[in-house]
Order: sequence, then C-alpha cells, then structure tokens
Amino acid sequence: NAGVTQTPKFRVLKTGQSMTLLCAQDMNHEYMYWYRQDPGMGLRLIHYSVGEGTTAKGEVPDGYNVSRLKKQNFLLGLESAAPSQTSVYFCASSYLAEAKNIQYFGAGTRLSVL
Amino acid sequence: RKEVEQDPGPFNVPEGATVAFNCTYSNSASQSFFWYRQDCRKEPKLLMSVYSSGNEDGRFTAQLNRASQYISLLIRDSKLSDSATYLCVVGTYNTDKLIFGTGTRLQVFP
Repeated sequence: NAGVTQTPKFRVLKTGQSMTLLCAQDMNHEYMYWYRQDPGMGLRLIHYSVGEGTTAKGEVPDGYNVSRLKKQNFLLGLESAAPSQTSVYFCASSYLAEAKNIQYFGAGTRLSVL
Repeated sequence: RKEVEQDPGPFNVPEGATVAFNCTYSNSASQSFFWYRQDCRKEPKLLMSVYSSGNEDGRFTAQLNRASQYISLLIRDSKLSDSATYLCVVGTYNTDKLIFGTGTRLQVFP
C-alpha cells in the first residue's frame, strides 16, 4: 500500500546548490501536484501536471522546475536553492470522481536551505 | 482577500464536547468542497467531501451554504484523537486544482 512516496524525507542544502525531489505514485493517477507548506501560509501550489508529459504553473512557481516523463513520477527541481525555499514540500496525486478532485499526499520532504 | 479563509484557532475543548469550524470561500464558481485533516508534522488526509445537502460521517457533519459561500464542520463527542489541524479545501471550476485554507487547529484535552 505505498500510495504516494516522496524522496528524500529530509535535506539540508547550502545557498546556490541544486537538488531534485522525487514523487512516485502507484495508483495510476493522472494528476500530480507539488505544494509547499510554510507556517501561517497553508499549502501553496508550485506546479502540477494533468498527465504524462504535461506540466503547468501553480501559485508560486518561481525558482522551481518540474518534469513528468512517466505517469507515475513527478520531479521537482531547485536549480539554485535560496533560504526562502526552506519549507516542507508535499507531493499529491489525484483522480476525478464525480467531478471531484480527490488528492492523496506523500509524507513530505523537509528542506532547509542555509 | 484569500480565496479560502478559516479561523486559525486554536480551539481548545474538553473530551466529549461539540465543536464547529467555519470556512468561507471567495469564488462563487467553485464546484467541490472538502475537509482534510492534518496531524502535526504529517501529510494532509481527506476527512470528508462536502455535499450541497450536507452530509454526515459518524461524529462528523459537514454543511455547505452556497448562497453565503461558507462551509462548516461539526464534530460531536470530541475525542483526544481528534486533535489536529482541519483544512478547508475548495475545488476550482475546472477541477484541476484545489485551494487549501490555512487550517484550524483543534486541541482536545482530557
């Protein structure tokens, strides 16, 4: 019962370093999402994908890139990390049921940028 | 104005109490509504969808008022295990995205 798996769970970066967060889902969902969650801000959408090979910008896309080469995987890249990107990152995947978007989340990645 | 607004709380209630949370949303074209639950340092999990006619799941009752654009969650007979943050979530018209409120924290004490 893996569901949505995020790797890594924790990471510390120095300013200017790059990294990729991996999200994998085994539920055959079409839609996948990357959010960041900061205190007092709630979940904010970074990028999302409505199918393999497609991506779209969310509310806070600057400083991030994504790729969805395979249906089950959604990668989030930080090319040059900044302290403002210190956050908890959640990936989600979803299907539509009766026109409702039901999202399932991974356990999160805690990222600190020094 | 935020698209989805919630009272951040915290709501501190004794076991057995009834507690209600409200949430307002700004986009009248919103089509779907949910309550998610998030435990400390964990991921959000779907608690229940909210239907126009209102719906119940055990001790939890959700209501939707489209005219006033608000959603409510009522928890009866609160348990210690209900302590969490409750996120009000609204689906966009084209159903591609969800908009999350910042959450209302509930603390149930013995």
